[in-house]
Amino acid sequence: QVQLVQSGAEVKKPGASVKVSCKASGYTFTSYGISWVRQAPGQGLEWMGWISAYNGNTNYAQKLQGRVTMTTDTSTSTAYMELRSLRSDDTAVYYCARWDSSSSGTPFDYWGQGTLVTVSS
Amino acid sequence: SYVLTQPPSVSVAPGKTARITCGGNNIGSKSVHWYQQKPGQAPVLVIYYDSDRPSGIPERFSGSNSGNTATLTISRVEAGDEADYYCQVWDSSSDSGVFGGGTKLTVL
Repeated sequence: QVQLVQSGAEVKKPGASVKVSCKASGYTFTSYGISWVRQAPGQGLEWMGWISAYNGNTNYAQKLQGRVTMTTDTSTSTAYMELRSLRSDDTAVYYCARWDSSSSGTPFDYWGQGTLVTVSS
Repeated sequence: SYVLTQPPSVSVAPGKTARITCGGNNIGSKSVHWYQQKPGQAPVLVIYYDSDRPSGIPERFSGSNSGNTATLTISRVEAGDEADYYCQVWDSSSDSGVFGGGTKLTVL
């Protein structure tokens, strides 16, 4: 069965960086893409960007350009999301989600369990 | 950028029908997906491509999409349907995902 298992909770100081991992299993990793979605406390879902596990192409939300980098390691079927220059408003649960990058308009059909990132001095 | 508008809350009695709307400019020309999120849990896909149901999702969940409004309909609502619901599309102009603000469904 398809599973996306994320790394554990993180506490970071303002200005620091965080790197969250998302290990995939149960499907051919390079046949799909991974999107990252975050959710601030009590707020809605915010799309952050996507990466194609097939060729490494990326597309980031404009508001995060320059601060976020998404990568994959196909040898371990793991996706990573690094966010730099953290601010207090980056405090959120971060989710990875699988999507079919070979077609347009596809849904996020499987989600990781989420990783809480807390930014606090 | 493309904007999706959802009502913040919808309330319905058990056994009745709940309708949650998602408004967007000519949204009928896009594929709309719906997610259910219960407290402390990751979102779950409940409707994709406007009206398709993933395996394991009850037939009580259905969707439609036309003009400027997409609708998630939950028939014979149960207490277990109480959750936040989000619509989602892709903005083809920027190849970006877009979520609605979410609707909290309360079962009275």
